[in-house]
Amino acid sequence: KQEVTQIPAALSVPEGENLVLNCSFTDSAIYNLQWFRQDPGKGLTSLLLIQSSQREQTSGRLNASLDKSSGRSTLYIAASQPGDSATYLCAVSLKETSGSRLTFGEGTQLTVNP
Amino acid sequence: NAGVTQTPKFRILKIGQSMTLQCAQDMNHNYMYWYRQDPGMGLKLIYYSVGAGITDKGEVPNGYNVSRSTTEDFPLRLELAAPSQTSVYFCASSRMTGYEQYFGPGTRLTVT
Repeated sequence: KQEVTQIPAALSVPEGENLVLNCSFTDSAIYNLQWFRQDPGKGLTSLLLIQSSQREQTSGRLNASLDKSSGRSTLYIAASQPGDSATYLCAVSLKETSGSRLTFGEGTQLTVNP
Repeated sequence: NAGVTQTPKFRILKIGQSMTLQCAQDMNHNYMYWYRQDPGMGLKLIYYSVGAGITDKGEVPNGYNVSRSTTEDFPLRLELAAPSQTSVYFCASSRMTGYEQYFGPGTRLTVT
C-alpha cells in the first residue's frame, strides 16, 4: 500500500526566505506526483504535476523535483511572501491505476511572516 | 467556466439521516472523484468515475453510494449517517486519468 509522508508538518519563516518542503512515498512505481495548495476553508489548487518520466517542473517561484528511486519529491519556494501562507499537500498516483487514484500526504502548514 | 461546484457548503445531520452531496463540473471532464478530509489529515478517495455510467470504489467507500448519469454531475449519497462520517467532502474532476485534478470548494458535514 502506498504511503505518503510530508515533513515538516508545520513551518514558519520570515518573508523573503527560500524554503523547501519534503514529500516521501513508499512505492516507487508511480504514475505521477502532484503538489497542491489549500487555503483555510477552501478547496485544493493544483500547483505542479510531475510525470514519472520527469525530474522537475517549474512554475514562477515554485520548483518541484522528483527522485523516484529514492521515493522523494521536494517543493522549493523562492523568495517567500505572506501570500504563500497555506497548507501544501503532496499526492501520488500509482502506475497500476494509470494515475486515476491519488494518495495524499497529510500536508505541511506554511506560515510566512511579514 | 464555473469549474467544479458543490452544494451545500455546510450541513448538520442527525445520526441515521440520509443526504446527497451534489457535485457538478462544466469543463467536460471524463473523470470525477469524491474525497473526504478529516481534521489535520490528507484526503482519502471515496469513489471515482471514469465516465457516465461507470463508477469504482476508492480507499474508503463504506457508507457511501454514487451514481453518474451525465458527464457533468457526480452526486454522493450518504445512507444512515454516522458520527464517523463527520468530515469535509471534496469533489474533483480531471480531463483524463493522470491529468491535473480540479477541486470544488468542499462541503463541511457534521453528524451528531
